[in-house]
Amino acid sequence: SQKIEQNSEALNIQEGKTATLTCNYTNYSPAYLQWYRQDPGRGPVFLLLIRENEKEKRKERLKVTFDTTLKQSLFHITASQPADSATYLCALPPGNTGKLIFGQGTTLQVKP
Amino acid sequence: GAGVSQSPSNKVTEKGKDVELRCDPISGHTALYWYRQSLGQGLEFLIYFQGNSAPDKSGLPSDRFSAERTGGSVSTLTIQRTQQEDSAVYLCASSLGTGTYNEQFFGPGTRLTVL
Repeated sequence: SQKIEQNSEALNIQEGKTATLTCNYTNYSPAYLQWYRQDPGRGPVFLLLIRENEKEKRKERLKVTFDTTLKQSLFHITASQPADSATYLCALPPGNTGKLIFGQGTTLQVKP
Repeated sequence: GAGVSQSPSNKVTEKGKDVELRCDPISGHTALYWYRQSLGQGLEFLIYFQGNSAPDKSGLPSDRFSAERTGGSVSTLTIQRTQQEDSAVYLCASSLGTGTYNEQFFGPGTRLTVL
């Protein structure tokens, strides 16, 4: 069956450290993968998109990798700050329609 | 510019009643999506529109759920004879199109509680 899995346990790290979140998928061959941030009581906000032919993408303190052999994407936040505390969702398209399938999200807590 | 808006922000209803949830997408966005998010869960795809047509309704949980979009803009999600398991946050998103690589812009959601 098709699945997208993110670590359901919250990730707690100290301010200044690098946070690494994992997104694994099964029985999909996505052309790209997206990462979103969601704060409590709000809708998700787009962060980054990485295409299947890209190994790595960076945006300021964010870095995403995409390994189509391992069927895995890693999302890194370097020099983390308490303001980075949120739930991070990965999403991928099951086809060519723009429809997205989301993982359940991983909650990150950055402590000062 | 204005983002995606949804109304109402909160809706409490009694089991068996019908509810209508509204989504106003970003102007010029041709694609519109509805998702549902239960407490502590990820987003569950319901339906998407390209213009006024809905090529993919595969996520609608039952025939009690329906959605329409008029004028390529506003969309309404209707739930008939609501059940307690319908309680969730209903999120709407829009994007420039349904082509690849389009990021989705989400509204704040409507929190539905069925008593």
